[in-house]
Amino acid sequence: GDSVTQMEGPVTLSEEAFLTINCTYTATGYPSLFWYVQYPGEGLQLLLKATKADDKGSNKGFEATYRKETTSFHLEKGSVQVSDSAVYFCALSGTGANNLFFGTGTRLTVIP
Amino acid sequence: DTGVSQDPRHKITKRGQNVTFRCDPISEHNRLYWYRQTLGQGPEFLTYFQNEAQLEKSRLLSDRFSAERPKGSFSTLEIQRTEQGDSAMYLCASSLGTNTYEQYFGPGTRLTVT
Repeated sequence: GDSVTQMEGPVTLSEEAFLTINCTYTATGYPSLFWYVQYPGEGLQLLLKATKADDKGSNKGFEATYRKETTSFHLEKGSVQVSDSAVYFCALSGTGANNLFFGTGTRLTVIP
Repeated sequence: DTGVSQDPRHKITKRGQNVTFRCDPISEHNRLYWYRQTLGQGPEFLTYFQNEAQLEKSRLLSDRFSAERPKGSFSTLEIQRTEQGDSAMYLCASSLGTNTYEQYFGPGTRLTVT
């Protein structure tokens, strides 16, 4: 079945450091891929998405590229801020599926 | 657009009691989803509605769980005879049309069964 494997955390970085959170997936067909973010005390928010191979999703300085050859969708940001501290979830929606499959989440803490 | 709202935000109940949660989706969204999230895990799909029709249920949705969306607007999720293993965050999300891509999530209802 469809599944997402996400880099385990927690991750602690200093402000302005480079961030990578790894995500790989297993799915049949051509899934759509997402990163959701959950800030403290708030609900899940869609951060970025990519719906086909080689697409790059980007938002708020975060980027992720849909790599079908490596079944990956790694999240990157060149310079993190304290306000980026949150839990990040990689997710996929399989071909013809009506729901999202989530990874286990990666908690990021950015220290000044 | 006030976003997806859920009520209550927190619920503490004793084992064996019944509980009901409510979700109000974004007003024009015709799809509504329920997920469950346990500590340290990502959300897991429970069920979804298109308008008032419940079109899919996960195997996680045991017979003690029932969900309704009577007028295609708000939805309720009821858990009967709660068990300690039901303790979790219950999330509601909505989306427009058949686009699963952009689901908008509510803040969740945290259930604690003692």
